[in-house]
Order: sequence, then structure tokens, then C-alpha cells
Amino acid sequence: TAGITQAPTSQILAAGRSMTLRCTQDMRHNAMYWYRQDLGLGLRLIHYSNTAGTTGKGEVPDGYSVSRANTDDFPLTLASAVPSQTSVYFCASSDRFGGYTFGSGTRLTVV
Amino acid sequence: EDQVTQSPEALRLQEGESSSLNCSYTVSGLRGLFWYRQDPGKGPEFLFTLYSAGEEKEKERLKATLTKKESFLHITAPKPEDSATYLCAVQARMNDMRFGAGTRLTVKP
Repeated sequence: TAGITQAPTSQILAAGRSMTLRCTQDMRHNAMYWYRQDLGLGLRLIHYSNTAGTTGKGEVPDGYSVSRANTDDFPLTLASAVPSQTSVYFCASSDRFGGYTFGSGTRLTVV
Repeated sequence: EDQVTQSPEALRLQEGESSSLNCSYTVSGLRGLFWYRQDPGKGPEFLFTLYSAGEEKEKERLKATLTKKESFLHITAPKPEDSATYLCAVQARMNDMRFGAGTRLTVKP
């Protein structure tokens, strides 16, 4: 089934450790996004990429980095995790101004 | 700053009891208003895009409408399988889709 694959599904991470959340799409969409979802706050954009080789900052980028080496992959890295980064992380992709296709999410707990 | 407010936060309906969900927005230059459905433990699933005031879109028991200040998601004769969180989002610029906090809908048989 075409779509977005995220890994891992869930993770418990010690504060101060680094981690990379993986995201792969097979729809050949140019644009990809990382959101975090927190209760009562909705989805907030962390970083985005319009096309391979380019990235940009969203609403809440601090503490996160991304790369876009090719069209299909868009990993999100936490260099030194803190408890406030406990959240559910969603990767998404889109074709210009269309609706987004989301992955199933990664539930991250930083302790 | 672009803002999206959804109401109510939660809605409980009996099967067959029609109702509406509200999405109020403030945005400079709306390019599109989007509705998504999200089931527990899953990512949002795209439902509709509305581009201009007066536009309507329908899918099964759902109908979305748009004015210059708000959008409604009307649910006609809902079934238990319509239970989910419904998210509204607005987009004024590429790479900037702003989401509301959602309405959690429960439909009891």
C-alpha cells in the first residue's frame, strides 16, 4: 500500500541521548513535513522540505534537525533529548497545495 | 498570526443524531481549508479541501462548508464508525498548514 512509513512505532529515550526518527514515502511527493502532536495543542510543524536537498524551519524547530538527501527519505534527529520533547511525531508528505498524507506516527517518551 | 479554533472539544451523539462541528479561522490570504479524520493511534487521514467561501464538499455522511470566517463539518445520521477526532487546518502559504486542536466525536449505538 502506497504511503508513508515511520519507524520506530514507539521509543523510550533517556534525557541527553540522541535519536533519529525515520520517515520514508513511496508516492514521489516533493514536499515532506515533520509535526509533533500534543494534547490540547494540536499538530505543530517542526521542519519541512520542499524538495530533495532543501529544508526549512517550522513553528517549533528548536532541538530538532532534518536532512533530505533524496525524495523518499526525511529523517528527524533529536541531538540531545529533553523531557519536553515527549510527544507523538508525525511525518507527512504532499503534492504542492493538496491535502497531506500522514504516517502512523512515532510515540516518543523522554525520561 | 494564523489561528484555527475548533468547537466543541468533544461531542457525544446517539446513532442517527445529526450535528455539526465548527472551525473558526483567522488567516491572511486563505489558500485552502482542510478537514482530516484521525483515529486513535493513527495519523490524520485527509477528507476535504475547500478553497473559497460558499464552496461545499460531500463524502458519505459528511458535508463540509466554508464561509469567510469559519467552516462547518456536518454529520448526517452518524454511525458508530464515524467516531474519531476531526481536525481542521488552514493554509495561507506553502509549508505552513496550521491545525486546530480537533473535535473528538463519539457516536453511541
